[in-house]
Amino acid sequence: DAGITQSPRHKVTETGTPVTLRCHQTENHRYMYWYRQDPGHGLRLIHYSYGVKDTDKGEVSDGYSVSRSKTEDFLLTLESATSSQTSVYFCAAARQGTETQYFGPGTRLLVL
Amino acid sequence: DQQVKQNSPSLSVQEGRISILNCDYTNSMFDYFLWYKKYPAEGPTFLISISSIKDKNEDGRFTVFLNKSAKHLSLHIVPSQPGDSAVYFCAASAPTGTASKLTFGTGTRLQVTL
Repeated sequence: DAGITQSPRHKVTETGTPVTLRCHQTENHRYMYWYRQDPGHGLRLIHYSYGVKDTDKGEVSDGYSVSRSKTEDFLLTLESATSSQTSVYFCAAARQGTETQYFGPGTRLLVL
Repeated sequence: DQQVKQNSPSLSVQEGRISILNCDYTNSMFDYFLWYKKYPAEGPTFLISISSIKDKNEDGRFTVFLNKSAKHLSLHIVPSQPGDSAVYFCAASAPTGTASKLTFGTGTRLQVTL
């Protein structure tokens, strides 16, 4: 358990508005990840970070950006939310040298 | 292209019996495999993993089997308990040189009945 919290836990927003989701971890894990979970797709990687200010794209990165200015925080931003971004978003973290990722409780986002 | 497949969306098993959840993969570069359990409104929880150098890993009631030639792994839960009712995700990782990246299957919903 990496002591991962996500905020907010639920959010309703309108199409076209910017949205930022926050992930915070307390275990000093080097790697952090953002996933989205949708029916029929499992969890899909959006972006990940391999260190402070070091990020890279995942499988479904279009429409999303991330930032990591501190080891413990990883932010996911939807610059202009669309209805297709309605989903449940999970943050995860992993220790360097291991494959196991530990997940936060999720953020349920509804874009109207 | 789904590189990790869980072809059974759901499975129902009686309490005390064995639950077998299956997962197939197509990418021969995958060398580490994990199972996660997910309850509604919670994040996935790591359950058990296996490296490609092994064919079996056991942890209490949970055993994962890996058949590399068939690109197939399975999770056995013995005996099944009502608290095991959840969605189970299979995930796989390939060497990247930096952060590990997991590819997930679509999940199998297990229901353990009394």
